[in-house]
Amino acid sequence: ELKVEQNPLFLSMQEGKNYTIYCNYSTTSDRLYWYRQDPGKSLESLFVLLSNGAVKQEGRLMASLDTKARLSTLHITAAVHDLSATYFCAVDRGDNTDKLIFGTGTRLQVFP
Amino acid sequence: EADIYQTPRYLVIGTGKKITLECSQTMGHDKMYWYQQDPGMELHLIHYSYGVNSTEKGDLSSESTVSRIRTEHFPLTLESARPSHTSQYLCASSENPSWEQYFGPGTRLTVT
Repeated sequence: ELKVEQNPLFLSMQEGKNYTIYCNYSTTSDRLYWYRQDPGKSLESLFVLLSNGAVKQEGRLMASLDTKARLSTLHITAAVHDLSATYFCAVDRGDNTDKLIFGTGTRLQVFP
Repeated sequence: EADIYQTPRYLVIGTGKKITLECSQTMGHDKMYWYQQDPGMELHLIHYSYGVNSTEKGDLSSESTVSRIRTEHFPLTLESARPSHTSQYLCASSENPSWEQYFGPGTRLTVT
């Protein structure tokens, strides 16, 4: 069964702290995506990771991909309240269908 | 910036009614997708299309149907709405298989 698991599911962190969200997957894909969703809103693309060892950074967020371990991480540096949202990773199924499997999501809350 | 639109944004309708959720994109993308998302949960693919006159069922069984007569338009229809159809429906499109899917704002459907 193709699965994408994120942990933690919920994360409450203080402003200024660092933390990492993990995304484990079981497909053989080399393509992984991170999205952000604010409450009641749609999904916003954050990162596209297309190969083993890929690392991308935008502001306080950095994403990496290890295809051998089938693991991606989303690292948060010096969190601020505006980062509060739900973060999803999604993985290509690896069967040339261009369909994605989404993770369970990590709900992040940053408090002062 | 992606241009993908969904209407209506919110819909409250009684059981047994027929409804059509509209999705349009102006980017000329061949691939389009419909996802269903319950509050706080992951996204499940219910329909996808690789191009005009191409539609297939997704991973999650759905009583809805779709059509793709024009590249830019991918409507979803429920012939007889039921309370179990209450959910958020997200439309997405993509061009190249290596690029991310762009999401519309979503339709929040409530069936009473």
